[in-house]
Amino acid sequence: QSALTQPASVSGSPGQSITISCIGTSSDVGSYNLVTWFQQHPGKAPKLMIYEVSKRPSGVSDRFSGSKSANTASLTISGLQTEDEAEYYCCSYAGSRNLVFGGGTKLTVL
Amino acid sequence: QVQLVQSGAEVKKPGASVKVSCKTSGYTFTNYYMHWVRQAPGQGLEWMGWINPNSGVTNYTQKFQDRVTMTRDTSINSAYMELTSLRFDDTALYYCVRGIYSGSYYAVGYWGQGTLVTVSS
Repeated sequence: QSALTQPASVSGSPGQSITISCIGTSSDVGSYNLVTWFQQHPGKAPKLMIYEVSKRPSGVSDRFSGSKSANTASLTISGLQTEDEAEYYCCSYAGSRNLVFGGGTKLTVL
Repeated sequence: QVQLVQSGAEVKKPGASVKVSCKTSGYTFTNYYMHWVRQAPGQGLEWMGWINPNSGVTNYTQKFQDRVTMTRDTSINSAYMELTSLRFDDTALYYCVRGIYSGSYYAVGYWGQGTLVTVSS
C-alpha cells in the first residue's frame, strides 16, 4: 500500500489555527475510522495525539482535534503555541492486517 | 505506566543481521499487539509489521517479508525484531510500538525510545 499524502510543511503564528491534511484512499482512510495522529519533536519518539479519527488520549490538549471526510483525514491545532512546532504524522489501518503512515508534515510556528 | 525500553545502538556491516529487543512493563504483555516501525535519518515513519505476543502470530509488510522476523519471550515480557541481509539503506531508528486496543492490530499508540541501527562498511 502507498503512504498517505500529507503536505510537507505548514506554518502559523501563535494563537492562530492550522489544519494538516492526510489524504488516503477508499482502501484505508475512507474505509475505516482508525486514523491516528502523532507529534514528533526532534530527537524524540512520536507521541499519540489523536486516535479513531477524533478521540484524544488523556493528557492531550483540547486544542488538538481530528476529523475525516471521505478519503481525507485532518488534524486541526487551534491557539497555536510555540511548543506545537514539531513533525506530525497520520497513520491509518489499511485493511489486510496492515497499517500505513503519512509522509509527515513539519509545523513551523512563526 | 506503560513502558517500552529498547536495546542500544548497533553498527553492522552490509549483509549482516541485527536483532533489536523491546522490554515492556506496566501492562499485560500478551494482551496487546507489538508493531515495529522504522525511521531513516531525516525521513518519515515506515510500518514494518506486528506480532501477537499471545500467539506468536506475525504479519509483515511485503517490503520486509523476506528479511524480517518478529518474535517474543512472554517469560520476560519482551519483543524482538531481527532484520537480515542488511543494506546501507536499512540505516534507521527502529521503534517498537504497542497497539492501542487489547487484542487488536488496528492502531498503535505507545512508542519505545528507538534503537539506532547503522549499516556501514
